[in-house]
Amino acid sequence: GNSVTQMEGPVTLSEEAFLTINCTYTATGYPSLFWYVQYPGEGLQLLLKATKADDKGSNKGFEATYRKETTSFHLEKGSVQVSDSAVYFCALRKSGGSNYKLTFGKGTLLTVNP
Amino acid sequence: GAVVSQHPSWVICKSGTSVKIECRSLDFQATTMFWYRQFPKQSLMLMATSNEGSKATYEQGVEKDKFLINHASLTLSTLTVTSAHPEDSSFYICSPRLETSTSEQYFGPGTRLTVT
Repeated sequence: GNSVTQMEGPVTLSEEAFLTINCTYTATGYPSLFWYVQYPGEGLQLLLKATKADDKGSNKGFEATYRKETTSFHLEKGSVQVSDSAVYFCALRKSGGSNYKLTFGKGTLLTVNP
Repeated sequence: GAVVSQHPSWVICKSGTSVKIECRSLDFQATTMFWYRQFPKQSLMLMATSNEGSKATYEQGVEKDKFLINHASLTLSTLTVTSAHPEDSSFYICSPRLETSTSEQYFGPGTRLTVT
């Protein structure tokens, strides 16, 4: 079946540091890949997505590239801010049909200190 | 982005009682509702999918008689945990979806259930 593995946290960085959160997946076919972010006390929000190989999703300075050869979708940001402190979830959605189910990784807690 | 509310945000109940969790999509109509469960430091696990006016489809291993889902309108869905036990203590998250070809899935802020 489908699965998502992301690096375990927590991750603690200083402001303006470089961020990488690794995510790899197992799926048949060509799934769509997502990163969701959950700020304290709020629901998950879509951060970025990519729907086919070599696509790069980007938003708010975050980027992730769909790498089919390595089945990866690592999240990166060049300079994190305190406001980026949140839990980040990598997820995939199987392609085709009317199945819109998301499969999530366990989440990675990021804390950015001033 | 869309606004999704859940009520209550936190509830404590005694073992054997039932608890109802409400999920509302405040500014759009949700034709599909997903209910997730999240244990500490674990993934969100899909419990069931429901379409407005239809019976919910439960994932393997989820007891449909224990977790009753009602999706009677396009803006409201409820999850009732019946005869709750301590092992039902968890974080429950609803996720409404608007049925369009490019629709995004939105998430409620979650409800923390503690069964004593």
